[in-house]
Amino acid sequence: DIQLTQSPSFLSASVGDRVTITCRASQGISSYLAWYQQKPGKAPKLLIYAASTLQSGVPSRFSGSGSGTEFTLTISSLQPEDFATYYCQQLNSYLTFGGGTKVEIK
Amino acid sequence: QITLKESGPTLVKPTQTLTLTCTFSGFSLSTSGVGVGWIRQPPGKALEWLALIYWDDDKRYSPSLKSRLTITKDTSKNQVVLTMTNMDPVDTATYYCARDGYDVGFFDYWGQGTLVTVSS
Repeated sequence: DIQLTQSPSFLSASVGDRVTITCRASQGISSYLAWYQQKPGKAPKLLIYAASTLQSGVPSRFSGSGSGTEFTLTISSLQPEDFATYYCQQLNSYLTFGGGTKVEIK
Repeated sequence: QITLKESGPTLVKPTQTLTLTCTFSGFSLSTSGVGVGWIRQPPGKALEWLALIYWDDDKRYSPSLKSRLTITKDTSKNQVVLTMTNMDPVDTATYYCARDGYDVGFFDYWGQGTLVTVSS
C-alpha cells in the first residue's frame, strides 16, 4: 500500500498568512494526487486534483504543486473561512488519504 | 444539481452486517467514466477509502477490508449499496458516499455522511 504522510499535522496561522502543507508518498505516484478541505461536521470538499489543477469554484489563493513523492498545498493569503482540516489523497494505486493537517487561528 | 445521500442504520451490534445505501441524483451511473465510492471517518480521525464502483461495474476495494466489503449498484434506482460484514466497535465512523466524475479516483461530490455506531 502507498502511505501518505502530511506535515505538519497541526498548524497555527493568522489571517493573511501564506500557508504551505506538505504531503509525502511512500513511493512515486506521478501526479495522481488530490487535496480536500474539511470543516467540522461537514463532508470533505475537493480543492485540487492531478496535483495542481484547481477544482471549479475553488478560490485562486489555493494552489498545488509537486509530482512523484512530494507535494504541497499552498494558501497564498489565509482567509477566515480557510480554517479547516486538509487532506491529501493518492489515486495511483488503490486510494489512500493522508492523516490530515488542521489549520487553526493563531 | 448533483446530490448524494447516505442511508442505513445508526446503530449495529458487533458481528452484524452493515448495509448502507447511497441514493444520488443529478448524474447517471451508466455514464462512461463515472463512479461512486465509499469513504469513512472514525470520530476525530482521518478519512479512509473503502470501495468504489464504476459505470461498467468495475469494482475496487481497500485491500485491508476487501474480505468484508461488497459494493453493488442499481442504475435504474440511482443507488449504490455497500455491505460490510462482521462489524466491530472500531468500525464506528461517519460513512460517506461520493462521486468520482473523472474515472481516476478522486471525489468531486460528497454526501453529508451518516454516523454508524457499533455497540452491543
